[in-house]
Amino acid sequence: GENVEQHPSTLSVQEGDSAVIKCTYSDSASNYFPWYKQELGKGPQLIIDIRSNVGEKKDQRIAVTLNKTAKHFSLHITETQPEDSAVYFCAASNENSGGSNYKLTFGKGTLLTVNP
Amino acid sequence: DAGVIQSPRHEVTEMGQEVTLRCKPISGHDYLFWYRQTMMRGLELLIYFNNNVPIDDSGMPEDRFSAKMPNASFSTLKIQPSEPRDSAVYFCASSYSGGGRPQHFGDGTRLSIL
Repeated sequence: GENVEQHPSTLSVQEGDSAVIKCTYSDSASNYFPWYKQELGKGPQLIIDIRSNVGEKKDQRIAVTLNKTAKHFSLHITETQPEDSAVYFCAASNENSGGSNYKLTFGKGTLLTVNP
Repeated sequence: DAGVIQSPRHEVTEMGQEVTLRCKPISGHDYLFWYRQTMMRGLELLIYFNNNVPIDDSGMPEDRFSAKMPNASFSTLKIQPSEPRDSAVYFCASSYSGGGRPQHFGDGTRLSIL
């Protein structure tokens, strides 16, 4: 099955700096890669996702890059703000695997702290 | 629009008791997922349904765990008998197969088994 590794497990940055979180996956058939943000006491919320037919996607201060050859993808947050502090999860799935195509495998998460 | 609704938000019970967690997915979504989150193991998929039918229950840890989806707007996850190692946060998520497939999570049930 799919295995997703996520690094770092904790990340502390100063407000205004950039933050980068990296994930690698094992199944070369995976083609859908979402990122979730989880705030304390809440469920994970989708913030951005990317499919294997593109290499980069941006949404305001958030961007995700994908390198299918190396089987890794990254989340980039620019101009970080204290409200960006949360746990971030990457995930991967194969949307073409028939009945299991909605099965997401999650990384272990990154606790991001943005210091004012 | 209402998101995924889970109840109860917190549950504290003694070992050996039956525990029932409830989930109402987003209206119109045809996939429903149950996850368990712990510090040690992260987010684990337990089971998921498509159109109320269980598709993959390979993540269900033991026979003590069971899940049902009697209709498109309700699902339960039951643990009987409960054990202290079942203590975790349990999340329900739903998605719409025709809409780009992102999963929408509820805010979870924090379960403590004493």
